[in-house]
Amino acid sequence: DIQMTQSPSSLSASVGDRVTITCQASQAISNYLNWYQQKAGKAPKLLISDASNLRTGVPSRFSGSRSGTDFTFTISSLQPEDIATYYCQHHGSLPWTFGQGTKVEIK
Amino acid sequence: EVLLVQSGAEVKKPGESLKISCKASGYGFATYWIGWVRQMPGKGLEWMGIIYPGDSDTRYSPSFQGQVTISADKSIGTAYLQWPSLKASDTAMYYCARHESSWNLDYWGQGTLVTVSS
Repeated sequence: DIQMTQSPSSLSASVGDRVTITCQASQAISNYLNWYQQKAGKAPKLLISDASNLRTGVPSRFSGSRSGTDFTFTISSLQPEDIATYYCQHHGSLPWTFGQGTKVEIK
Repeated sequence: EVLLVQSGAEVKKPGESLKISCKASGYGFATYWIGWVRQMPGKGLEWMGIIYPGDSDTRYSPSFQGQVTISADKSIGTAYLQWPSLKASDTAMYYCARHESSWNLDYWGQGTLVTVSS
């Protein structure tokens, strides 16, 4: 199975800060990497597909990029409503797997 | 509007069987893979497996193969996840999610909480 190593596991930042989360794949997965947001008590929501494609209706402060097997998720200016846990997920080859998650809090 | 509506919370005893459901609407159910994701209390997301309702082709994560069965009834637009004999370690929230053609999980159900306790 392809393993996704996500870091950090948690972070605390101020409103307006730039926030960066990374995921590293254990092997090549091309661009087959998605990012999800899960707010407390809610189902996950797809934010970014295929490494960098922002989904319809998702604010432009969210972005994603790829360099080889390293993937980065960025919130350019953290907002109070961004408090959530963020997960990466690959779909390079079955079985799909998720990263461990990053809990984002407001400082 | 695409909607996935899951069945309600369940409380079961170890050894009991269970089948939970995910009713889809607003799209061609038979033509999209649909799958299940587990979230144990306070933990992350685990992809369990998927089914293509059009022909019932099913794929499982090795972690869940043989532990659960994923099925679907395309005549009523509903996917299922079932256990023959529950264990306490099956206690979790279970989400169904549609997989769009590029394998992104684009729509999710609201989740079904399964509690297994003696």
